[in-house]
Amino acid sequence: AAGVIQSPRHLIKEKRETATLKCYPIPRHDTVYWYQQGPGQDPQFLISFYEKMQSDKGSIPDRFSAQQFSDYHSELNMSSLELGDSALYFCASSSRPLASSYNEQFFGPGTRLTVL
Amino acid sequence: TQLLEQSPQFLSIQEGENLTVYCNSSSVFSSLQWYRQEPGEGPVLLVTVVTGGEVKKLKRLTFQFGDARKDSSLHITAAQPGDTGLYLCAGASGGSNYKLTFGKGTLLTVNP
Repeated sequence: AAGVIQSPRHLIKEKRETATLKCYPIPRHDTVYWYQQGPGQDPQFLISFYEKMQSDKGSIPDRFSAQQFSDYHSELNMSSLELGDSALYFCASSSRPLASSYNEQFFGPGTRLTVL
Repeated sequence: TQLLEQSPQFLSIQEGENLTVYCNSSSVFSSLQWYRQEPGEGPVLLVTVVTGGEVKKLKRLTFQFGDARKDSSLHITAAQPGDTGLYLCAGASGGSNYKLTFGKGTLLTVNP
């Protein structure tokens, strides 16, 4: 079965540079979530999109922005990178259920960002 | 802010032993999901529990959702080295958004 695709898998940037992370959700999934996981930490929710509209916002720095496109893929744009931005960035996707009160999020393999 | 307390944080056992991981919160969740994560990889969904008191079994893994939907447990029977990994519980608040709040995780090591 098709899974969530993230690119690139690894990214190395210098301080103050910009980075763009891409996420391709599972086919027919309409919701995308971004999470940040620091070393030894649990994933922290950044932002989510449903049907190309931002649906929720978590602890995402103002230097970061994201959007979901018409084909449902999403991009996380990170500017003025700082050393503390080094982390694993996960994208998850789900299909918003019509009748039930929950959904299941499926995670991609992540992008490891290293800021030097 | 909803918090999930997960325990124990670290667990090292011998192959064949049983273990239980706990996930507790003061908040009610509409659903709770358990994930397993390998180093440098994305969390892999194991199970979703929705109904208070629900019990789900996945081979040697048994998941339970508390009656009040505030806590959950994962029990592994006869652990194997292949069970080694980081186990994360995550609660969803439902409503108009479904962001997950994760516990800190339990790092399980099963020694042969």
